[in-house]
Amino acid sequence: KQEVTQIPAALSVPEGENLVLNCSFTDSAIYNLQWFRQDPGKGLTSLLLIQSSQREQTSGRLNASLDKSSGRSTLYIAASQPGDSATYLCAATGGGNKLTFGTGTQLKVEL
Amino acid sequence: EAGVVQSPRYKIIEKKQPVAFWCNPISGHNTLYWYLQNLGQGPELLIRYENEEAVDDSQLPKDRFSAERLKGVDSTLKIQPAELGDSAVYLCASSSSSGYYNEQFFGPGTRLTVL
Repeated sequence: KQEVTQIPAALSVPEGENLVLNCSFTDSAIYNLQWFRQDPGKGLTSLLLIQSSQREQTSGRLNASLDKSSGRSTLYIAASQPGDSATYLCAATGGGNKLTFGTGTQLKVEL
Repeated sequence: EAGVVQSPRYKIIEKKQPVAFWCNPISGHNTLYWYLQNLGQGPELLIRYENEEAVDDSQLPKDRFSAERLKGVDSTLKIQPAELGDSAVYLCASSSSSGYYNEQFFGPGTRLTVL
């Protein structure tokens, strides 16, 4: 059974700082790895999707990497802004397009 | 393009009462998912539909939960009777069956409070 872990559970940083969120998964037989953002009271917004054959994906200030062999993915946020404050969830996609989510990292970017 | 629509957004009921949630997926998306998200946790899959067929309902507590997608478009998730532990956010997602990967798009969710 796939298990996904995210560290840290919460993070508070000053505006402008670069930061890294970590995600680890136990079963390397995944189709892809997704990073989502969730704002309070809202649904999930997909940020980046990395196929199992890829090593990284970039979108603006976000960069996600994937190392299947070690069961790890990282989300790098450059020059953080208060608007980046949210909960970030990673999810590993297995058979049947089943997403297994981590518990999330709650990020707060302070002025 | 309209996203996944869910209603109601919030629901407060007393325990033992029935409750139903509705989801309309993105137009053309054949696959529909219902997820349960407890506070401070990631979403967990309850049921997955391919068109009108439930192809994975292994995590759905069938003693009190039921779901349907009669015409292969919108779907309803029902709880009867509700228990205190059912308080959570219920998320609906949809994906296209075509393409190399089937990215899932999520609705805003229904927040259920059982008193």
